[in-house]
Amino acid sequence: EDKVVQSPLSLVVHEGDTVTLNCSYEVTNFRSLLWYKQEKKAPTFLFMLTSSGIEKKSGRLSSILDKKELFSILNITATQTGDSAVYLCAAAGAGSYQLTFGKGTKLSVIP
Amino acid sequence: NAGVTQTPKFQVLKTGQSMTLQCAQDMNHEYMSWYRQDPGMGLRLIHYSVGAGITDQGEVPNGYNVSRSTTEDFPLRLLSAAPSQTSVYFCASSAGTGMRGELFFGEGSRLTVL
Repeated sequence: EDKVVQSPLSLVVHEGDTVTLNCSYEVTNFRSLLWYKQEKKAPTFLFMLTSSGIEKKSGRLSSILDKKELFSILNITATQTGDSAVYLCAAAGAGSYQLTFGKGTKLSVIP
Repeated sequence: NAGVTQTPKFQVLKTGQSMTLQCAQDMNHEYMSWYRQDPGMGLRLIHYSVGAGITDQGEVPNGYNVSRSTTEDFPLRLLSAAPSQTSVYFCASSAGTGMRGELFFGEGSRLTVL
């Protein structure tokens, strides 16, 4: 059975801090790992990673995948209150039509 | 672009009632899916479809039916609602038939079963 585990489950930081969110996975014939941000409503796509060691960046957010150790991290630098959200990690296997999601990390950024 | 549209946004049912959650997408995506999200459980796949006329079960299919008569629409039917089906439901679609790209999510439908 495919499994995705995120840690920590919740995190409170001050504005300006840097945070690292963790995601480990066990997926048959792994193909891709995705990160989503969920505020009040629908999850919104952040990154998709398929190759090990290649960092994806978007502004203050970045993510990297380690296919040997079966994990990914999402970094957020210089956090802002608008970064407060649940961050979801999901993994897909080759030939699979299913994304397996982790339970999410709830990030709270306080002024 | 409307993207993925779900209706209704909120619904209260009594145990045993039936209802249909509607989902429509205007991106010509072949892949569509339904997830439920419960506190502490993450998103769990209910049913999915890789094209018109093709549906399959996900992780938690019991108590739900789906059909896919057109590329655009993928309704989720609750045949006899139970309190355990109280949840937030998300419809999502993706280009292609496999998990090769990002999922686009609707804004969710919050269902309460009394």
